[in-house]
Amino acid sequence: QVQLQESGPGLVKPSETLSLTCTVSGGSISSYYWSWIRQPPGKGLEWIGYIYYSGSTNYNPSLKSRVTISVDTSKNQFSLKLSSVTAADTAVYYCARGELIVATTPALWFDPWGQGTLVTVSS
Amino acid sequence: SYVLTQPPSVSVAPGKTARITCGGNNIGSKSVHWYQQKPGQAPVLVIYYDSDRPSGIPERFSGSNSGNTATLTISRVEAGDEADYYCQVWDSSSDHAVFGGGTKLTVL
Repeated sequence: QVQLQESGPGLVKPSETLSLTCTVSGGSISSYYWSWIRQPPGKGLEWIGYIYYSGSTNYNPSLKSRVTISVDTSKNQFSLKLSSVTAADTAVYYCARGELIVATTPALWFDPWGQGTLVTVSS
Repeated sequence: SYVLTQPPSVSVAPGKTARITCGGNNIGSKSVHWYQQKPGQAPVLVIYYDSDRPSGIPERFSGSNSGNTATLTISRVEAGDEADYYCQVWDSSSDHAVFGGGTKLTVL
């Protein structure tokens, strides 16, 4: 079955750019909406955005000015860049596969998820 | 933007039925999805499209959605069901995913 694995630095300095990669195994990255979701320590989940395999993106309006999600279909990977980070960006970052159904009301859910990676913003 | 409201905690005795609610304005017009997250682990999808179960999820887990409230029901609760549960929708007016604040289920 499809598995996702996040990778990247666990420590980022304030004002710098956070960069993470998600590697998809056990299936093709073609189709589906490949997403990033984060969870600050002890808090709830926040959707960051998604990229469709064709390259179209959609970002959370609250993060849109700082977020870039890209895809490399040849490597079965997609990536997250979050610029100008502060301590408030400290969180466990998850990648997940999103499935979108466009019916009378669009529905998008996330399954499966990667194990998550903790990124701490600190000098 | 769209807001989903969950009770912070729900407690239930083993073998009983737990009901976790997710409130939102006319949420019955949206599709609601539910995730289970155990400590130190990634969330796992337990219900999608209001009431569908992914393969491998026990039939004890069920969902409903009407009016301003969606509900995750866990029948014959087991100790292993103790976890945080999150509801989620796609808000088509703002075109982004929204999660509820999460509910901690405690099995007494």
